[in-house]
Amino acid sequence: DIQMTQSPSSVSASVGDRVTITCRASQDISYWLAWYQQKPGKAPKLLIYTASTLESGVPSRFSGSGSGTDFTLTISSLHSEDFATYYCQHADSLPRGFGPGTKVDVK
Amino acid sequence: QVQLQESGPGLVKPSETLSLTCIVSGDFITNYYWNWIRQPPGKGLEWIGHIYHNGNSDYNPSLKSRVSISMDTSKNQFSLRLRSVTVADTAVYYCARGYSQFGPWGQGTLVTVSS
Repeated sequence: DIQMTQSPSSVSASVGDRVTITCRASQDISYWLAWYQQKPGKAPKLLIYTASTLESGVPSRFSGSGSGTDFTLTISSLHSEDFATYYCQHADSLPRGFGPGTKVDVK
Repeated sequence: QVQLQESGPGLVKPSETLSLTCIVSGDFITNYYWNWIRQPPGKGLEWIGHIYHNGNSDYNPSLKSRVSISMDTSKNQFSLRLRSVTVADTAVYYCARGYSQFGPWGQGTLVTVSS
């Protein structure tokens, strides 16, 4: 199975900050990576797929990049509604796997 | 818009079978792959498996010996069965649409395994 790691595990930030989260796969997954946002008590929400494609309706302040084993999710200017936990997920092979999550909280 | 809704018992006894159903509205279930994903309290996400309308299904090897996913196209719903549950199977169970990436998701249902 492909293992996913994320860093940092948590980040404290302020509204307006630029936030970058890193995701690493244990082997080459090309561009088969998705990012999700999850708020407490809610289901995850798809933000980005195929590493850099923005899901319909997701604000343009979210962007994704990377290929192979190293990927990043960037929030260009943090809004109050962006405080949440973010997960990456590979789609290269079965079983699908998620990273452990990165919590973005208030500084 | 597509909506998914999980339903099923919130409490299951150890060694028994967990059964959940996901009702899909706003889309035909024959159009996509459909998934079950779970999240233990305070922990991360685990993909359980998926099914397509032709009967093709795949499961996480960590659960493969205990899990089955089925589909009822006449009711536009699909179901999860997890046998011989233990306390480690306590989690919020989500259903979701998709093959590579997942969206949309149901709201999730908490299943507690306890005697």
